[in-house]
Amino acid sequence: SQQGEEDPQALSIQEGENATMNCSYKTSINNLQWYRQNSGRGLVHLILIRSNEREKHSGRLRVTLDTSKKSSSLLITASRAADTASYFCATASSGSARQLTFGSGTQLTVLP
Amino acid sequence: DADVTQTPRNRITKTGKRIMLECSQTKGHDRMYWYRQDPGLGLQLIYYSFDVKDINKGEISDGYSVSRQAQAKFSLSLESAIPNQTALYFCATSDAARGPHSYNEQFFGPGTRLTVL
Repeated sequence: SQQGEEDPQALSIQEGENATMNCSYKTSINNLQWYRQNSGRGLVHLILIRSNEREKHSGRLRVTLDTSKKSSSLLITASRAADTASYFCATASSGSARQLTFGSGTQLTVLP
Repeated sequence: DADVTQTPRNRITKTGKRIMLECSQTKGHDRMYWYRQDPGLGLQLIYYSFDVKDINKGEISDGYSVSRQAQAKFSLSLESAIPNQTALYFCATSDAARGPHSYNEQFFGPGTRLTVL
């Protein structure tokens, strides 16, 4: 079963535009993480936000977390063609921060 | 050199065959994981190990077994492969979590593409 569900499933934008992806989850979390996957390759960790944090930045990435709504968003500013990939949220439940549960991902396509 | 390596990278096999996928890491992490990814979907956890003597089933462990031969090595076996085990398999590692707001960022290998005919 998927803890996190990303929305939209697919997103296509022009280079230079911002891309926003959303993640909703069901149970209380210790932290929420975002990963990126280029086609057929392993996932790469992008950013982690803890349950007591509301916003976090890393370069062109901005992540927000609303624990009352059990949702998170990932914003990629000034997108580039190289940002084309699948993006997954993953949650570490507060009951056991020992494993991650991944959502089904958002496929982002950035057109040059 | 890659921190997390998987062998083989691609494998085609037949129904009923026994298959072993291997994972090695040089990150010195205690925790290792095996995931399966089906096309267009997220990752599902098969097994995870927090140290050599601690192995746990994930959400889809049926039809799979694992062995943690050393801190750096974690192998996944399909005792009798079936076509619906055709998927992309990933190994991952993470450092031991500490404290109430511990984190467990995971580092992934490049994946093994397995096809069962």
